[in-house]
Amino acid sequence: GEDVEQSLFLSVREGDSSVINCTYTDSSSTYLYWYKQEPGAGLQLLTYIFSNMDMKQDQRLTVLLNKKDKHLSLRIADTQTGDSAIYFCAETPESNSGYALNFGKGTSLLVTP
Amino acid sequence: NAGVTQTPKFQVLKTGQSMTLQCAQDMNHNSMYWYRQDPGMGLRLIYYSASEGTTDKGEVPNGYNVSRLNKREFSLRLESAAPSQTSVYFCASSLRDRGNGYTFGSGTRLTVV
Repeated sequence: GEDVEQSLFLSVREGDSSVINCTYTDSSSTYLYWYKQEPGAGLQLLTYIFSNMDMKQDQRLTVLLNKKDKHLSLRIADTQTGDSAIYFCAETPESNSGYALNFGKGTSLLVTP
Repeated sequence: NAGVTQTPKFQVLKTGQSMTLQCAQDMNHNSMYWYRQDPGMGLRLIYYSASEGTTDKGEVPNGYNVSRLNKREFSLRLESAAPSQTSVYFCASSLRDRGNGYTFGSGTRLTVV
């Protein structure tokens, strides 16, 4: 099937904003997610957005959704070294029973002092 | 709260050996999933169980079997391990409400030699 696309790497300086982009595949996805994976750990749900929204803000995190272009982005304000991790975008197409998510390959964020 | 517990955390197998990866959740979630994570490939769905008593194949089911033992437990079995099954395996669970996303276990790192 089609892939959820993300850029593989992003490097930013501490204190700058980070923007991680994702292009998803299925316009029927009602929820879109961002997960964070720290080294040696499982994935942790960061935030999600419902498809009838175009923006969601949660403290330092801002999610933007362009449903027409099937484009999702995650902005991290005032990025800290503790934000260094892999970030995964995920969709839930209505065609997937059992609510199985389709994940992108992940974006490795490196935050340098 | 334990969340999703996977055992073992690490395992080395010889080609042809069998083993079962265990997963248990204590959140009363209905759906459970097994993913594998490989470098450059992101997460790929192996099998899932939408509810107790049902299991379905995901994207990469060959070489694996699963058992939804009860609502809490979902095991993944490798009958005859192959080097291509060297990977990190993640179990996850979710409610039927997609907005809650998944809760992931911390993973099992499997090496087949």
